[in-house]
Amino acid sequence: AQSVTQLDSQVPVFEEAPVELRCNYSSSVSVYLFWYVQYPNQGLQLLLKYLSGSTLVKGINGFEAEFNKSQTSFHLRKPSVHISDTAEYFCAVSSKGGSEKLVFGKGTKLTVNP
Amino acid sequence: DTGVSQDPRHKITKRGQNVTFRCDPISEHNRLYWYRQTLGQGPEFLTYFQNEAQLEKSRLLSDRFSAERPKGSFSTLEIQRTEQGDSAMYLCASSLSGASREKLFFGSGTQLSVL
Repeated sequence: AQSVTQLDSQVPVFEEAPVELRCNYSSSVSVYLFWYVQYPNQGLQLLLKYLSGSTLVKGINGFEAEFNKSQTSFHLRKPSVHISDTAEYFCAVSSKGGSEKLVFGKGTKLTVNP
Repeated sequence: DTGVSQDPRHKITKRGQNVTFRCDPISEHNRLYWYRQTLGQGPEFLTYFQNEAQLEKSRLLSDRFSAERPKGSFSTLEIQRTEQGDSAMYLCASSLSGASREKLFFGSGTQLSVL
């Protein structure tokens, strides 16, 4: 079984500041890792994913994440945030070779202030 | 590509009533998933179909919940004898098996409120 821990439930930042949203996972098998974003009244949208290869992955809207196997982490970063980045962010895992079922963390609410 | 659509967007019901939600996946997608999301939590997996076959069900899915995908296209999720604890956002997602795992698309969800 897998589990995901998002260490911060809320992260307030000022516009143009850098941000890091933390995610740790636990699994007895190899996993794929994902970050999704959810804007108010909208469905989940994939930001980026790690399947294999380079541990630094780049996604949409200037976000990137780094897979660290030894620390079982997959933190999300953006060097300069915009007010439009205000949303809920979810880290998720799925087991390799499985059903593509996702196990999500509880989410981090990112609020970007002017 | 019209995306994954869910109907209704909102449902308010009284405790003990039955409710049914519909999900229309992206037309060529053969996999369909149902998730439930409560306030302050991430989505939790409920069940998934490949074509019309229901291949996995979560232990979260009590006997009051039933899902179908009769022709391998749209799916319905029925909750019988609703309880206040069933209040949540019910999300549907679809994908094409064998494709890259980035191809999981979510609908906007059905918000259920049980009074």
